[in-house]
Amino acid sequence: ILNVEQSPQSLHVQEGDSTNFTCSFPSSNFYALHWYRWETAKSPEALFVMTLNGDEKKKGRISATLNTKEGYSYLYIKGSQPEDSATYLCALASGNTPLVFGKGTRLSVIA
Amino acid sequence: DTAVSQTPKYLVTQMGNDKSIKCEQNLGHDTMYWYKQDSKKFLKIMFSYNNKELIINETVPNRFSPKSPDKAHLNLHINSLELGDSAVYFCASSQSLLVGGAEAFFGQGTRLTVV
Repeated sequence: ILNVEQSPQSLHVQEGDSTNFTCSFPSSNFYALHWYRWETAKSPEALFVMTLNGDEKKKGRISATLNTKEGYSYLYIKGSQPEDSATYLCALASGNTPLVFGKGTRLSVIA
Repeated sequence: DTAVSQTPKYLVTQMGNDKSIKCEQNLGHDTMYWYKQDSKKFLKIMFSYNNKELIINETVPNRFSPKSPDKAHLNLHINSLELGDSAVYFCASSQSLLVGGAEAFFGQGTRLTVV
């Protein structure tokens, strides 16, 4: 059974702070690493899908990096805003299995 | 226009009943999934269908039976509902079997409460 770990489990930051969280995964049979943003009472929405070792993706103030050899990905948020408050999920695509999700990092940005 | 839509959004029912949750996607995707969000808020795959054919069936009680009449629909039927079935169920779709760069699009979830 694939195990995708995310840390920290929850995080509180002040508006304007930059922050980052980690996703760790088994590196064998790696196909892709996904990041999703999940706001309360909504459905998860894809932020990034990364497939290559060393990939870096950016969307506005949010960026992500990928290291498939050591099995980790970082998500960075620069200058956090209250609207960034959400749960951030990473998920691993491996072999012929559908996405295996981590438990998420719950981010609260305090104004 | 909602890309992946589930109905109903909320479902409250008694133990022992049979119920269905419907899911439709208008994205032209080949693959659809059912995920269960458990009590620890963890998303766990239940089923995966590709072009109406069952691909993945995780360890799910056989009281749960997915049905895909066409590749735009994947419905979840649950027989003899138990208290432990209470959860939020998410439907999702993707262009392919999530190999490589195919992101998943999720429905808004169905909160099932068994009393």
